[in-house]
Amino acid sequence: GAVVSQHPSWVICKSGTSVKIECRSLDFQATTMFWYRQFPKQSLMLMATSNEGSKATYEQGVEKDKFLINHASLTLSTLTVTSAHPEDSSFYICSAPSPGEQYFGPGTRLTVT
Amino acid sequence: AQRVTQPEKLLSVFKGAPVELKCNYSYSGSPELFWYVQYSRQRLQLLLRHISRESIKGFTADLNKGETSFHLKKPFAQEEDSAMYYCALRPSGGYQKVTFGIGTKLQVIP
Repeated sequence: GAVVSQHPSWVICKSGTSVKIECRSLDFQATTMFWYRQFPKQSLMLMATSNEGSKATYEQGVEKDKFLINHASLTLSTLTVTSAHPEDSSFYICSAPSPGEQYFGPGTRLTVT
Repeated sequence: AQRVTQPEKLLSVFKGAPVELKCNYSYSGSPELFWYVQYSRQRLQLLLRHISRESIKGFTADLNKGETSFHLKKPFAQEEDSAMYYCALRPSGGYQKVTFGIGTKLQVIP
């Protein structure tokens, strides 16, 4: 099946700094990418939908100025957590849809100290 | 609005016993229903989708539109089935967002 990769797989950063997470579709083109956040022992919560060539759409309650999304090409979407705080520590997962299913990246573990 | 409910956070069964992971959904239109599984320290992966009506690793799930349910079943649990299971819904037509249930942790006791 199709493969979605994420980089880095884990990152530790200091409070107040910014972190960029990359999501790539390796063998197919993704005009849409979904970004999810998963807290420990909780389900995946959709944060935003990135669309190649246009602005991302954010779910209610998600700060668009804090979580910057860029869908630069048909195979790359990035999520930048700006001015990170400890409460942003979480597992971030990207996903690309296809007919009949959705392919998930392996996730990025962000720890803000 | 779309909603997925998984009433059990944890389900423990003995090896060889039948398994049923419950899932109910709420959506006014025509949905696509999925079951995803997440083994320890691995990425989320698709287990089943209702449109294909298949059996994967012995699991089956039938969409019951009258009861708005999509329960996951397996007649004989195996230890390797221990994992987190997420029921998910996506509106039909186009690449729309997927809504997940909170997940059920299946623990198969040897």
